[in-house]
Amino acid sequence: EVQLLESGGGLIQPGGSLRLSCAASGFTFSNYVMNWVRQAPGKGLEWVSAISISGESTYFADSVKGRFNISRDNSTNTLYLQMTSLRGEDTAVYYCARDSRHGSDLWGQGTLVTVSS
Amino acid sequence: EIVMTQSPATLSVSPGERATLSCRASQSVRNNLAWYQQKPGQPPRLLIYDTSTRATGIPARFSGSGSGTEFTLTISSLQSEDFAVYYCQQYSTWPPQTFGQGTKVEVK
Repeated sequence: EVQLLESGGGLIQPGGSLRLSCAASGFTFSNYVMNWVRQAPGKGLEWVSAISISGESTYFADSVKGRFNISRDNSTNTLYLQMTSLRGEDTAVYYCARDSRHGSDLWGQGTLVTVSS
Repeated sequence: EIVMTQSPATLSVSPGERATLSCRASQSVRNNLAWYQQKPGQPPRLLIYDTSTRATGIPARFSGSGSGTEFTLTISSLQSEDFAVYYCQQYSTWPPQTFGQGTKVEVK
């Protein structure tokens, strides 16, 4: 089955760090650019980060630049999002999504990150 | 950054009626525009890409049109399963890929 499965979310204090993972299966992971997109409670979608097929090129929204890092392991079909210096406004469901170059055509179910003391 | 603006914020439609959703870009995105549907508790689902191409498995009642800065998603005859929030997204110039704020289609 073609799917993406996120993990690693949870409750974290402001200023803390968290690493999200996204396990891909059922397709050739190394053929696709991958994205992270988040959605704050009751709000719309916000693109967070993207990574090239090889992992050499990474891209970030201004809201997370310098605090988040994206990486991938094509040998284990896993995408990561390392989040540091977390703030309340980072509270959201984080989705990983496969980039088809024409939009994101496959999404995970998401993992909830709550930043609160 | 390209800003995407959707209208209306909420659209009240009766089942079987036609729904027309709008999306405007702050600068041209050519035809590099996608539409997504999101239901409560679910991830977004790609409906339309490249302005007017339906994604795999999407019913023909969904259609997209437009170019440059003005885009439209039309649902020709609303079914019960179509009541949801719809987002447009540009992928012409990124980073960042940008989404509209969403249009909620609700039962009238």
